[in-house]
Amino acid sequence: EAQVTQNPRYLITVTGKKLTVTCSQNMNHEYMSWYRQDPGLGLRQIYYSMNVEVTDKGDVPEGYKVSRKEKRNFPLILESPSPNQTSLYFCASRSVMNNQPQHFGDGTRLSIL
Amino acid sequence: RKEVEQDPGPFNVPEGATVAFNCTYSNSASQSFFWYRQDCRKEPKLLMSVYSSGNEDGRFTAQLNRASQYISLLIRDSKLSDSATYLCVVNDYGQNFVFGPGTRLSVLP
Repeated sequence: EAQVTQNPRYLITVTGKKLTVTCSQNMNHEYMSWYRQDPGLGLRQIYYSMNVEVTDKGDVPEGYKVSRKEKRNFPLILESPSPNQTSLYFCASRSVMNNQPQHFGDGTRLSIL
Repeated sequence: RKEVEQDPGPFNVPEGATVAFNCTYSNSASQSFFWYRQDCRKEPKLLMSVYSSGNEDGRFTAQLNRASQYISLLIRDSKLSDSATYLCVVNDYGQNFVFGPGTRLSVLP
């Protein structure tokens, strides 16, 4: 089954404790991206990657890192999480051919205390 | 001005009603357009792509007006299961996908 898998689905942690949210897709998509969704602000892009070893900042990259060492994986790293990073996070992937839409993971709800 | 704007709603309609959502975008270089639906903080799911000539998928019809930079979604014969938030998404052939804030629809029995 074609899917985008995020882990964990839920996480409560404390300020300053490094965390990683994993994202994996099995569709051989070149493009992967991370979004955060906050009430009243909609989905905002954090980082995206066009292919292996190619990453770019989205609209709200501050406080986040990503890496793309393999095509299928695109982890989101919060080196020193802060309460303003409490949010719902989505990973997405797509083929770059012919204006294909994005496919989203189930989401990760992060609470930073 | 926001890049993609939508009426946030909520739209409360009875079952069987026809409802239309509008979306405007500011980047005239935008090339691809989509409607997604999102249920109660779950992941967005593709509803339909929007083509220049307009397109229909069952009860759903999408229209694009490039001159006015306007996209619409029409839902006919609304079902209870159509209750969701509808997101307008615009892409400029780069990798910048911009999401609208969403329009919330509640279909009432």
